[in-house]
Amino acid sequence: GQSLEQPSEVTAVEGAIVQINCTYQTSGFYGLSWYQQHDGGAPTFLSYNALDGLEETGRFSSFLSRSDSYGYLLLQELQMKDSASYFCAVLSGGYQKVTFGTGTKLQVIP
Amino acid sequence: EADIYQTPRYLVIGTGKKITLECSQTMGHDKMYWYQQDPGMELHLIHYSYGVNSTEKGDLSSESTVSRIRTEHFPLTLESARPSHTSQYLCASSEFNPADRNPNYGYTFGSGTRLTVV
Repeated sequence: GQSLEQPSEVTAVEGAIVQINCTYQTSGFYGLSWYQQHDGGAPTFLSYNALDGLEETGRFSSFLSRSDSYGYLLLQELQMKDSASYFCAVLSGGYQKVTFGTGTKLQVIP
Repeated sequence: EADIYQTPRYLVIGTGKKITLECSQTMGHDKMYWYQQDPGMELHLIHYSYGVNSTEKGDLSSESTVSRIRTEHFPLTLESARPSHTSQYLCASSEFNPADRNPNYGYTFGSGTRLTVV
């Protein structure tokens, strides 16, 4: 089967940097995605890593190590609006099924 | 501007009623998905489709059914709603092709339908 683990909650100060980790177990791995979801809203796609290394998109960066079955999302210059849940998601299998992690609730405090 | 639309946004319905949750996308994506999510919890895949006349059950057992007669439309039906069906239902679509050398993969989600069965 497939499983993903990420911390349930993280608290960080406005303007700081926070890293949200994700470890996974899966077969037929294609890549790791990250999604942001505000309370009551729909998930929004943030990033996708198919290869090892760091992908940067503005204040957000995502990292993947396939050999370690590990990735993380890095948020820099935190803003209050970054308070949300962040889900890692594994794309795997012959028909591109996505399995979501349990989500990390990020609270940004002043 | 949303490219994937779900209706209704909120629905309160009595036990035993039949309901259909609508999902339409204008992006021409072949792949569409239905997820169920309780507040603050993870997303569970309940149905997916890789194209017209193709539907499969997901990882979470569900008493709902889906159809895919047109590429853009992927409705979900509950024949007899029960309180245990109370949840948020999220529809998504994608165009991911594993043959792409530099895939920019991502799901586009609709705004969701928050269903309450009383």
